[in-house]
Amino acid sequence: QKEVEQDPGPLSVPEGAIVSLNCTYSNSAFQYFMWYRQYSRKGPELLMYTYSSGNKEDGRFTAQVDKSSKYISLFIRDSQPSDSATYLCATLDGAGNQFYFGTGTSLTVIP
Amino acid sequence: KAGVTQTPRYLIKTRGQQVTLSCSPISGHRSVSWYQQTPGQGLQFLFEYFSETQRNKGNFPGRFSGRQFSNSRSEMNVSTLELGDSALYLCASSLDSAGGQFFGPGTRLTVL
Repeated sequence: QKEVEQDPGPLSVPEGAIVSLNCTYSNSAFQYFMWYRQYSRKGPELLMYTYSSGNKEDGRFTAQVDKSSKYISLFIRDSQPSDSATYLCATLDGAGNQFYFGTGTSLTVIP
Repeated sequence: KAGVTQTPRYLIKTRGQQVTLSCSPISGHRSVSWYQQTPGQGLQFLFEYFSETQRNKGNFPGRFSGRQFSNSRSEMNVSTLELGDSALYLCASSLDSAGGQFFGPGTRLTVL
């Protein structure tokens, strides 16, 4: 079982839709959770960083962590064509030793 | 503050050759990690260096090696290249072990 599982998609939505991206993780010791956005031919860009359970909001983006079910989500409100990218979830083990990444979900927002 | 830089951006090599990739982290960041990214496998962790010491290592063969210098710059070396080594190699730096990682643009390696 991989440490982080993510549905690769692809996911296609109309402009203005609410997007929900999800990951599950295997190790309850994971404490830190991140979402990255990667445009084609670019390196991943850190979008959201959360610690433990709860929600974190930044503009149109909301990251949610449910440690009881080992489930992490990223919501994008009022999606824009510029949001079209691959989104990767990531976790960091409790000792801060290693990051684990999902395989990424490809999102296309259609104008 | 300048971001993570990687050189070269593109490389074409033939099987059996070796290659060295370079990464300059964000100023002040002491942790540098290397990843291999392929369409089928996603991001796979190679190794992490912190203050010139390899702190963590992924499940890659010994052909993949790295080092970190006193100024936190890091290099990654791949010897005896194989076709399957064709990938985007990403370097990421972080301030400390619990910080989010910041990625460079990557080096796209093609092995012919």
